Amino acid sequence: KNQVEQSPQSLIILEGKNCTLQCNYTVSPFSNLRWYKQDTGRGPVSLTIMTFSENTKSNGRYTATLDADTKQSSLHITASQLSDSASYICVVKGNMLTFGGGTRLMVKP
Amino acid sequence: GAGVSQTPSNKVTEKGKYVELRCDPISGHTALYWYRQSLGQGPEFLIYFQGTGAADDSGLPNDRFFAVRPEGSVSTLKIQRTERGDSAVYLCASSLTGSGVVDTQYFGPGTRLTVL
Repeated sequence: KNQVEQSPQSLIILEGKNCTLQCNYTVSPFSNLRWYKQDTGRGPVSLTIMTFSENTKSNGRYTATLDADTKQSSLHITASQLSDSASYICVVKGNMLTFGGGTRLMVKP
Repeated sequence: GAGVSQTPSNKVTEKGKYVELRCDPISGHTALYWYRQSLGQGPEFLIYFQGTGAADDSGLPNDRFFAVRPEGSVSTLKIQRTERGDSAVYLCASSLTGSGVVDTQYFGPGTRLTVL
């Protein structure tokens, strides 16, 4: 069964600190892995999309990594800002899209 | 029994706003489809869910469109930064299994989205 599991479910950090969100998946075949950011009341915004051959991809302060052998991905946020408070969703595309449950991040001043 | 229901039936929004459209499929149907129909045109496929997973999202026009079906029943189509070109009737359909040529899709009444 295709599954995407994210951890932690929620996270609180202080402004300026770094954090890493995890995504483990059992999706086969694998096409790509996507990280989205969703602010409350808004639609998800794509942060990164990585295919099998890509190990890391950055988008500003966001850096995603992918280990296709262990089927793990991480999203690292550097120097967090208050505006980073949101839900972060990992989505893996195989024959279909499989969604993770998301990590709710809160950045406090 | 109840058919496919969609809410709201009509939605008027301003350009740039975020909207959510809801679809309640027929109970027990594992497959759920979203379509968009512009005036005078046939439905255009957007995305197809099998259970909780999106089996085919190739019809989503761009990253402003996103759909979820977290528990394998109700689905929400989310559109951010709406544009006037998004104005259309958004149709939802469900089918029992989603496989086989005889698997009938039952359509909801649609949500008419108007972006001003």
